[in-house]
Amino acid sequence: EMVMTQSPATLSVSPGERATLSCRASQSVSRNLAWFQQKPGQAPRLLIYGASTGATDIPARFSGSGSGTEFTLTISSLQSEDFAVYYCQQYNNWPITFGQGTRLEIK
Amino acid sequence: EVQLLESGGGLVQRGGSLRLSCAASGFTFSNYGMSWVRQAPGKGLEWVSGLSGSADSTYYADSVKGRFTISRDNSKNTLYLQMSSLRAEDTAVYYCAKDFAWGYYTDYWGQGTLVTVSS
Repeated sequence: EMVMTQSPATLSVSPGERATLSCRASQSVSRNLAWFQQKPGQAPRLLIYGASTGATDIPARFSGSGSGTEFTLTISSLQSEDFAVYYCQQYNNWPITFGQGTRLEIK
Repeated sequence: EVQLLESGGGLVQRGGSLRLSCAASGFTFSNYGMSWVRQAPGKGLEWVSGLSGSADSTYYADSVKGRFTISRDNSKNTLYLQMSSLRAEDTAVYYCAKDFAWGYYTDYWGQGTLVTVSS
């Protein structure tokens, strides 16, 4: 099973600043990597797929990069609505697996 | 507009069974793979199972293999998850999710249904 490891577990950032979240795969997943945002009491929302392609209606401040085993989600200028938990998901191999999540909190 | 509405959750005793349903609308259901993803209270997301649009290919997480069965009725636009031999660690919100394509990422999610397994 592909293990996805996200870091850090919690990230404290001030509004308006940049946030950088990491996701590492135990083996190469090529670019078959998605990012999701989840707010309390809500279902996850797709942000990025194919490692770097923004999903429909996702603001341009969200960007993804990486390939193989190392991936990054960057939020360029944090807005109040961006404070949430973020998950990466690999879909290169069965079973599909998620990272354990990064909680982005207000500093 | 894609809509996914889960139902069937509730309280069940350890060792018992439960069937979840997911009613889909807003897209051609039979053309898309579907998944179940769960989230234990206060924990992260765990992919549970996936099923192709034609129902000829299925995959399960090791944690549920042999106990859960995913199925679909394309004439009713409905996805199912039959859960048996339930354990306390199966307690979670269960989300139904549409795949972008079979074997790809999930692009739409339902709001989830809570399953609680009592010991």
